[in-house]
Amino acid sequence: KQEVTQIPAALSVPEGENLVLNCSFTDSAIYNLQWFRQDPGKGLTSLLLIQSSQREQTSGRLNASLDKSSGRSTLYIAASQPGDSATYLCGPRGGTTDSWGKLQFGAGTQVVVTP
Amino acid sequence: DVKVTQSSRYLVKRTGEKVFLECVQDMDHENMFWYRQDPGLGLRLIYFSYDVKMKEKGDIPEGYSVSREKKERFSLILESASTNQTSMYLCASSPVGGAYEQYFGPGTRLTVT
Repeated sequence: KQEVTQIPAALSVPEGENLVLNCSFTDSAIYNLQWFRQDPGKGLTSLLLIQSSQREQTSGRLNASLDKSSGRSTLYIAASQPGDSATYLCGPRGGTTDSWGKLQFGAGTQVVVTP
Repeated sequence: DVKVTQSSRYLVKRTGEKVFLECVQDMDHENMFWYRQDPGLGLRLIYFSYDVKMKEKGDIPEGYSVSREKKERFSLILESASTNQTSMYLCASSPVGGAYEQYFGPGTRLTVT
């Protein structure tokens, strides 16, 4: 069964600093990996989807890298803003017959950006 | 924009009641999912559906059932609610196949007393 770990569990940075959020997973047979943000008491908002054949995916200030063979993905957020304060979750999507299409989630990294 | 809506943001039910959580998506997606989210345990998949009238168990199906009579609607049913089913419930949808993003609804915070 896929195990997903996100480090650190919590992070507090001053506005303007770059954020680095790490995600590791035990089963490298993934189809792709999705990054989400979640505001308190709300649903998940999709940020980026990175396919297993890709090394990087970018959207605005966000950049996600994927090293499938070593079971790691990193989300970089450049020039952080207070509005980036949220919990960030990664979800690798299974690529085997048993796990096909299913996301497994990490516990998330809670980010606070102070003005 | 994809829109996934859930029937209630907050719900309070008594132990033993039958509870229905409704989810509707407006993007003609084939796949729909129900998760629960608990502090320290993260999101866990309860059930999912690849098509109308089709369902498959996720990681924690015990105590739950689902219904998908129409493509756009996926219902989660708690046959006899218990206090350990107090949780945040999240619905998601995606197009067919594994290559596409999952889109989530706003969640239903269910409290069973």
